[in-house]
Amino acid sequence: KQEVTQIPAALSVPEGENLVLNCSFTDSAIYNLQWFRQDPGKGLTSLLLIQSSQREQTSGRLNASLDKSSGRSTLYIAASQPGDSATYLCAVPHSGNTPLVFGKGTRLSVIA
Amino acid sequence: GAVVSQHPSWVICKSGTSVKIECRSLDFQATTMFWYRQFPKQSLMLMATSNEGSKATYEQGVEKDKFLINHASLTLSTLTVTSAHPEDSSFYICSASPDRAQDGYTFGSGTRLTVV
Repeated sequence: KQEVTQIPAALSVPEGENLVLNCSFTDSAIYNLQWFRQDPGKGLTSLLLIQSSQREQTSGRLNASLDKSSGRSTLYIAASQPGDSATYLCAVPHSGNTPLVFGKGTRLSVIA
Repeated sequence: GAVVSQHPSWVICKSGTSVKIECRSLDFQATTMFWYRQFPKQSLMLMATSNEGSKATYEQGVEKDKFLINHASLTLSTLTVTSAHPEDSSFYICSASPDRAQDGYTFGSGTRLTVV
């Protein structure tokens, strides 16, 4: 059974700092890996999607890497801003129409 | 990109009544939709998987008679919480599987249910 772990559980950084969020998964047979952002009381916003054949994806200040063989992904946030404060979730599906398995998330606070 | 519209965003109901939550895929056909429940400060817990035109598959421990899921069309899935009780108060979110292989999963905005 797939298990997804995210470290750290919470992180507080000053504005402007670069930071890395970690995600690991136990079964490397994944279809893709998706990083989401969730604001309190809101739904999930997709940040980055990495296909199983890809190594990384970039969007603005965000960069996500994937090492499928070792079961790891990282989300790099450059020049953090207070607006980046949210919970970040990584999730993997076994195939294209199976449910996502989520980590417990990293709660990020960026202090102005 | 793909959009899933979820309604209502929040609802307060009396204990013993039923509440229906709708999820619509606006610009694509959602063959498979998933329903999750989230407690405060916890991650999402999968409740059930629904495929258009067939019965939903429920996760272990989820009461199928309490949480009725209908996926009658490729653009609409509904979750009905029947005879709601305060312990059913939670945040419910739906998700649609990718329309195309290169797309990710899309989530609704969630429904905050409070049973009083």
